Amino acid sequence: KAGVTQTPRYLIKTRGQQVTLSCSPISGHRSVSWYQQTPGQGLQFLFEYFSETQRNKGNFPGRFSGRQFSNSRSEMNVSTLELGDSALYLCASSLVPATEIYTFGSGTRLTVV
Amino acid sequence: SQQGEEDPQALSIQEGENATMNCSYKTSINNLQWYRQNSGRGLVHLILIRSNEREKHSGRLRVTLDTSKKSSSLLITASRAADTASYFCATEDDKIIFGKGTRLHILP
Repeated sequence: KAGVTQTPRYLIKTRGQQVTLSCSPISGHRSVSWYQQTPGQGLQFLFEYFSETQRNKGNFPGRFSGRQFSNSRSEMNVSTLELGDSALYLCASSLVPATEIYTFGSGTRLTVV
Repeated sequence: SQQGEEDPQALSIQEGENATMNCSYKTSINNLQWYRQNSGRGLVHLILIRSNEREKHSGRLRVTLDTSKKSSSLLITASRAADTASYFCATEDDKIIFGKGTRLHILP
């Protein structure tokens, strides 16, 4: 079966712009989690969606938002980009939240210039 | 907040040797997982150990869990060049939280 698909793979944006990243989970998986990975901070939890509802949110400013659609696909949006938002953004899907094994996508590498 | 912390941060060993990585966590858990990440890619699940288990094996991987010490270890036996990667432990605290990882480098 197809894995977790993240698009785009690479992205370069300018400070102040906004960006939308997409994540398509494994078919049948209803939970999608997003993580930001930077060299200094490791993997930081952004948010988790389950059945179109945000179930958990990490400690990120309101510029970071997300949503999940009825087909379980998820998007995350970052507005008013800052240089510090440059990171690898990873999404992971699972059948149900938290207690199940996560399957990760290959990530979106965002560079803010 | 980071739930798990891996130790050491980086490890270099000769091919064929065993590699041991440790993870310490702060609160009670239902399970603990280990993941591997090759450079710049997504994470791949390696093994899950539940709180009522003390040891688990999968191929060349051996994971132990000591809930009294809130720690886990991952042992990779007979290391290979392909094992070069970052290794993360992950704990569940109503959401899956990852540590900062151990960078493992296998020398030829």
